Amino acid sequence: ETGVTQTPRHLVMGMTNKKSLKCEQHLGHNAMYWYKQSAKKPLELMFVYSLEERVENNSVPSRFSPECPNSSHLFLHLHTLQPEDSALYLCASSQGTGPNTGELFFGEGSRLTVL
Amino acid sequence: TQLLEQSPQFLSIQEGENLTVYCNSSSVFSSLQWYRQEPGEGPVLLVTVVTGGEVKKLKRLTFQFGDARKDSSLHITAAQTGDTGLYLCAGLQGAQKLVFGQGTRLTINP
Repeated sequence: ETGVTQTPRHLVMGMTNKKSLKCEQHLGHNAMYWYKQSAKKPLELMFVYSLEERVENNSVPSRFSPECPNSSHLFLHLHTLQPEDSALYLCASSQGTGPNTGELFFGEGSRLTVL
Repeated sequence: TQLLEQSPQFLSIQEGENLTVYCNSSSVFSSLQWYRQEPGEGPVLLVTVVTGGEVKKLKRLTFQFGDARKDSSLHITAAQTGDTGLYLCAGLQGAQKLVFGQGTRLTINP
């Protein structure tokens, strides 16, 4: 098993659909993240979970809803998205979220297209 | 205005050439990370620099952290086609906020 796995790799959805992105980490890390990667823009941090508790929510619209049922799994529930939400959504994990935040281990990403 | 500016945004050179890409900011960072992202993959950490003026080498890649810890550079010697990818710098601000630059997309032509 690779360190961080994301499914699906590709998703096309209409604006009225409800779908979910899944992330699973096999590294025993305590923190998990959702990032949005759009062309020519920096990676945008969306949510951070530490020990299954959400510790950061960067003003993300409510049409994105994260869920962290345990320290190994992270979901991003999608509802009534807009075309501008089309992007690569990256999940990452790290050993901790403290002052010495170390390496982020990223999944391969879920490429989302909203029609 | 982006907190971390990477330049150039795009770079295409021939195999065997040398190159330098930059990561600049007006803010001070406690550490700075460089990642490489290949097509269809997530970013992978290359190096973390912590001390002002620090230089780290990873085979043909040389990373430098500015003395004031506001900027960094990545120099690649004798580039190879396998170096192709998106290079991202990320600075750690304060306790735990990691800020990414927009990336430099590097293409090495055979």
